Amino acid sequence: AQSVSQHNHHVILSEAASLELGCNYSYGGTVNLFWYVQYPGQHLQLLLKYFSGDPLVKGIKGFEAEFIKSKFSFNLRKPSVQWSDTAEYFCAVNAEGGADGLTFGKGTHLIIQP
Amino acid sequence: GAVVSQHPSRVICKSGTSVKIECRSLDFQATTMFWYRQFPKQSLMLMATSNEGSKATYEQGVEKDKFLINHASLTLSTLTVTSAHPEDSSFYICSARGGLAGGSSYNEQFFGPGTRLTVL
Repeated sequence: AQSVSQHNHHVILSEAASLELGCNYSYGGTVNLFWYVQYPGQHLQLLLKYFSGDPLVKGIKGFEAEFIKSKFSFNLRKPSVQWSDTAEYFCAVNAEGGADGLTFGKGTHLIIQP
Repeated sequence: GAVVSQHPSRVICKSGTSVKIECRSLDFQATTMFWYRQFPKQSLMLMATSNEGSKATYEQGVEKDKFLINHASLTLSTLTVTSAHPEDSSFYICSARGGLAGGSSYNEQFFGPGTRLTVL
């Protein structure tokens, strides 16, 4: 069975600060990796995804993530956050091929202070 | 492209009644649809996986007789919460997988906006 661990449940940053949200997964095979964002009162939006290839993936809104296979990690980064980045962030994984449902981490509540 | 809709967006019902939630893929054929549940301030938990024309596969701990899933076509799946009780109050979210087989989009799930169920 897969599991996803997000280390930071609540993060508070000031605008223009750099962001890194940790995500580690547990699975014995090849995986697809995702980061989703959920703004207050809105539905899930895909930030970025990794299926294969270049382990450094760039997503929307200036976010990027790096897949480090040896560490089973897929950390999310953004060099300079904005107030509008305040949201809940979820890391998710499923097995290669995508036939399975996603296993989500518990989420990180990010608050950006102006 | 790859839009998934859910109806209704919100529903309030009395305890003991049944509620049906629809999930539609609007511009692609969804070979597989997934149903998730999200409790307040918590993460999404996969409830079941449904493939068109076959029985749904439920995750451990999810009552298949309580949460009836039908995936009658490549664009529609329904979740019926039977004899709903207050503890079933939650945010129910569907996702759909489809696109070109073998293409990168085939690995991706597209999420609906969710349905807020409140059982009084």
